[in-house]
Amino acid sequence: DARVTQTPRDKVTEMGQEVTMRCQPILGHNTVFWYRQTMMQGLELLAYFRNRAPLDDSGMPKDRFSAEMPDATLATLKIQPSEPRDSAVYFCASGLEVGGYTFGSGTRLTVV
Amino acid sequence: AQTVTQSQPEMSVQEAETVTLSCTYDTSESDYYLFWYKQPPSRQMILVIRQEAYKQQNATENRFSVNFQKAAKSFSLKISDSQLGDAAMYFCAYRGYNAGNMLTFGGGTRLMVKP
Repeated sequence: DARVTQTPRDKVTEMGQEVTMRCQPILGHNTVFWYRQTMMQGLELLAYFRNRAPLDDSGMPKDRFSAEMPDATLATLKIQPSEPRDSAVYFCASGLEVGGYTFGSGTRLTVV
Repeated sequence: AQTVTQSQPEMSVQEAETVTLSCTYDTSESDYYLFWYKQPPSRQMILVIRQEAYKQQNATENRFSVNFQKAAKSFSLKISDSQLGDAAMYFCAYRGYNAGNMLTFGGGTRLMVKP
């Protein structure tokens, strides 16, 4: 089965450090999402792209988060500088304009 | 804005029995998709079943079926013959056509399966 690949699976970093999370969407999928999951807030949409163009990043703290799709096989989510409140599981998902979306296994980020 | 509500934070079911998880949503759109995702302890989000709003027939996938009530904006998930491997968090999600196809999730229901 085709899958969405996220790296790293787990990341522990110190406050103030830069963190980059990567996602390889399923080949042919033109829509890519970044979600954040925490116990308190549940699943929150951070940003998403269609045909590599950013459609909505209103859920993302602009001063420290950035999301890009340098090409169709790679999406990145960067946090600089990281803070303890950024600790969460970050999911990437991809799909087409119709149907469901396939999620990656997530990156568990811990900022100490 | 669309909202999705799962009113049952936790549910439990005896192995081999049937359980129903509830979900309600709010939208002004007439065309949309509804989904149930399963998240086991491995944290992988797995698509269980989906329903297109224009279809009157309820979706079914093996032991999983939905009861879609469009007028009531209700979308419940029924799991028949529950198995230990069904234990997980279950998320109801909405995707409209006018909201740029983003997914809006409910808060989740933790399902425990007793042997």
